[in-house]
Amino acid sequence: DVKVTQSSRYLVKRTGEKVFLECVQDMDHENMFWYRQDPGLGLRLIYFSYDVKMKEKGDIPEGYSVSREKKERFSLILESASTNQTSMYLCASKGATGTHYEQYFGPGTRLTVT
Amino acid sequence: GQNIDQPTEMTATEGAIVQINCTYQTSGFNGLFWYQQHAGEAPTFLSYNVLDGLEEKGRFSSFLSRSKGYSYLLLKELQMKDSASYLCAALDSNYQLIWGAGTKLIIKP
Repeated sequence: DVKVTQSSRYLVKRTGEKVFLECVQDMDHENMFWYRQDPGLGLRLIYFSYDVKMKEKGDIPEGYSVSREKKERFSLILESASTNQTSMYLCASKGATGTHYEQYFGPGTRLTVT
Repeated sequence: GQNIDQPTEMTATEGAIVQINCTYQTSGFNGLFWYQQHAGEAPTFLSYNVLDGLEEKGRFSSFLSRSKGYSYLLLKELQMKDSASYLCAALDSNYQLIWGAGTKLIIKP
């Protein structure tokens, strides 16, 4: 079974803090994704990575950065958290690039920025 | 632009059948996914269609019409545990997923 884990289920941070969200997958998947999910808006892609040290901007990268130093780990960084970044953050992974394979999701991190 | 439309919320009765519709407009098309997401949990894969027609998988079936840009998810013999959000997502020409906002399905006894 594919397993995608995220470092925290719930996180509360203050405005201006630097926030790290970690994601680890155990299936040797090449592709990893970070989404945020807000009511009525569906899943929106922040960044994705198709290989170690490679990253691509998604639809809403502003205010975020990512790091992929190892194949199994993909980190999302909020350099200076703001209240409009309060959201559910979902990490996902997928097998080979350019395929129809499904994405496997982690349990999500509900981030509140106060 | 790329767009996925699906109803925001639907209500159905336990034991009944419900059809959740999804229309899509994408730059190229490499298939359509349905995911189920229970409240507070991660989305889980239900089905993938790339050819026209109906694919059946137990109580759940998924249909695709590429010419109409249309798909539906059919749930039969509804159970209370089917109360969840159902997410439609289309794979575009770059193999990127375009997600709908999800349909919240409420099952009543």
